[in-house]
Amino acid sequence: EVQLLESGGGLVQPGGSLRLSCAASEFTFSTYVMSWVRQAPGKGLEWVSTISDSGGRTNYADSVKGRFTISRDNSKHTLYLQMNSLRADDTAVYYCAKTADSGNYFSPTDYWGQGTLVTVSS
Amino acid sequence: QPVLTQSSSASASLGSSVKLTCTLSRGHSSYMVAWHQQQPGKAPRYLMKLEFSGNYNKGSGVPDRFSGSSSGADRYLAISNLQSDDEANYYCETWDTNTRVFGGGTNLTVL
Repeated sequence: EVQLLESGGGLVQPGGSLRLSCAASEFTFSTYVMSWVRQAPGKGLEWVSTISDSGGRTNYADSVKGRFTISRDNSKHTLYLQMNSLRADDTAVYYCAKTADSGNYFSPTDYWGQGTLVTVSS
Repeated sequence: QPVLTQSSSASASLGSSVKLTCTLSRGHSSYMVAWHQQQPGKAPRYLMKLEFSGNYNKGSGVPDRFSGSSSGADRYLAISNLQSDDEANYYCETWDTNTRVFGGGTNLTVL
């Protein structure tokens, strides 16, 4: 069974930085497009960023563009999200998500991690 | 970019059926969507992908009680023989060249 295990969340002050990781297993990580999706307390799901299987293509939501960077290390089966200039409205549970179809950027999300909570507060 | 519209809430009785709707914005009516279930306090779970044609493909372990259909810009998730653990938020998702989009979610209450 596919496993996605996020880590790196925690409490950070406004303006600070945090790096999230997602360790993937039980599938060929290097061939799947991956995403980060977040959920603010009591709110719905919000797409954050997507990265292609090779890492050569990335996309970001307008709300995080210029502050967040998605990356991956296929040799370590790990997805990352570097978050800088954090704001209170970045407070959310951050989920790592896998797409369904190998090598296809235009593919639904079919597996989710358990999420890691990021709290931005002074 | 596409926009997905969902009713904020729905309710139905235990053992009955319900049909949830996700509507694609103008110009995007042919898009495929995915449906996800999020039970209270848990991570989302993928249910199915659903095409404009109405063809759908369910995720691993999704019960036969869950099905999908389409009509124009509307994508439906039907749940029959409602169980108590179907009480959850249901989100639709779609994707485009540079973005992924989620609907606002429908909170389903099983009475």
